[in-house]
Amino acid sequence: SQQGEEDPQALSIQEGENATMNCSYKTSINNLQWYRQNSGRGLVHLILIRSNEREKHSGRLRVTLDTSKKSSSLLITASRAADTASYFCATDATGANSKLTFGKGITLSVRP
Amino acid sequence: GAVVSQHPSWVICKSGTSVKIECRSLDFQATTMFWYRQFPKQSLMLMATSNEGSKATYEQGVEKDKFLINHASLTLSTLTVTSAHPEDSSFYICSAGPSGRDLNIQYFGAGTRLSVL
Repeated sequence: SQQGEEDPQALSIQEGENATMNCSYKTSINNLQWYRQNSGRGLVHLILIRSNEREKHSGRLRVTLDTSKKSSSLLITASRAADTASYFCATDATGANSKLTFGKGITLSVRP
Repeated sequence: GAVVSQHPSWVICKSGTSVKIECRSLDFQATTMFWYRQFPKQSLMLMATSNEGSKATYEQGVEKDKFLINHASLTLSTLTVTSAHPEDSSFYICSAGPSGRDLNIQYFGAGTRLSVL
């Protein structure tokens, strides 16, 4: 079942602008992850935030987590055309080597 | 590190034939691997969890006799689509996470696009 729900479903921005994507989930989690998928390819792990963390940074990525609202956001700053891809949030409810539940994904288009 | 190789990347087959897809963890051991199916512009749908040395755990609605999974070693899992039909055409992706890690970060293969004629 799809636990994560991202919004917006599609986002188109100009290169250099910031992109903000949101994800909501339904159950308690151990951590939440964001993945990126280029068209026709596998997924690449971007960043993980634990349930006891509120914000995390990695390069141009900033992720927040609000467990009271069961929501997360991914911010990509100073976007580049190469950031064009689909982005998925995934929740891990039960720990290591357990299955992840993916959201529906957000398609980001960055115009050069 | 943490590279997952999936092969083939693209396969076309005739209806009624079987197709085998391989998923290998190249630089780590994985007691568990996952197989997903993805339709165009949609999310990943987990099909089954592949367990080394034991039977796979299939998600509800996935036919285990249709999608045979074998995880014979700590670095290789295979998915065989038996008697494939056009409705099996899809993008299949595998993933694995290094055993013993406390965080469930998954590393994905590049996917296999299956087209059944």
